[in-house]
Amino acid sequence: QSALTQPASVSGSPGQSITISCTGTSSDVGSYNLVSWYQQHPGKAPKLMIYEVSKRPSGVSNRFSGSKSGNTASLTISGLQAEDEADYYCCSYAGSSTHVVFGGGTKLTVL
Amino acid sequence: EVQLVQSGAEVKKPGESLRISCKGSGYSFTSYWISWVRQMPGKGLEWMGRIDPSDSYTNYSPSFQGHVTISADKSISTAYLQWSSLKASDTAMYYCARLQGSGWYIYYFDYWGQGTLVTVSS
Repeated sequence: QSALTQPASVSGSPGQSITISCTGTSSDVGSYNLVSWYQQHPGKAPKLMIYEVSKRPSGVSNRFSGSKSGNTASLTISGLQAEDEADYYCCSYAGSSTHVVFGGGTKLTVL
Repeated sequence: EVQLVQSGAEVKKPGESLRISCKGSGYSFTSYWISWVRQMPGKGLEWMGRIDPSDSYTNYSPSFQGHVTISADKSISTAYLQWSSLKASDTAMYYCARLQGSGWYIYYFDYWGQGTLVTVSS
């Protein structure tokens, strides 16, 4: 069982928007604005898509956005494209003992 | 260009020891912590621990403390993950990642190695 809870799968049609949730606790997501999101295509290494809840690294499309409310963070992808089909993982700082926790991952299917 | 290049795939027997590596380039290796992340077959990402290459100070996830050792050689910009006695359950892909953070705080992982597949089977 992962420390952060994500839906196992989400799907959407090209051009649509989808949102992936990431639910933690007051010890991780709820306490720190240190949530990040990673995209992983099959057989590839993870890639940073969002950091510090809502910031985008250089080179990441502005179709990707992040937000947080209470103990739940969210990743929204607008204008879905076929290349967005991948697994997505959320991650949060969780204090000086646990350090870091990941979500279980969400498989995005572009229909 | 920042790069983390990991050593190649390994096939080992239970009980054997192993050390895999992660060589950084394109940045000041001693200025950023390196983390190791496990991904078991068909499963999600798990944070194992981190090392400060400047002084080899380490932190481990409680789940991995005592089971693996993270080390670094700053003279050759390389971090290591090692096992003294492998188990079949160690079969996984292992990624190194450059960590952005400050003090105890881990902000995010901005660059990742390509992964090293470790297979442990008798």
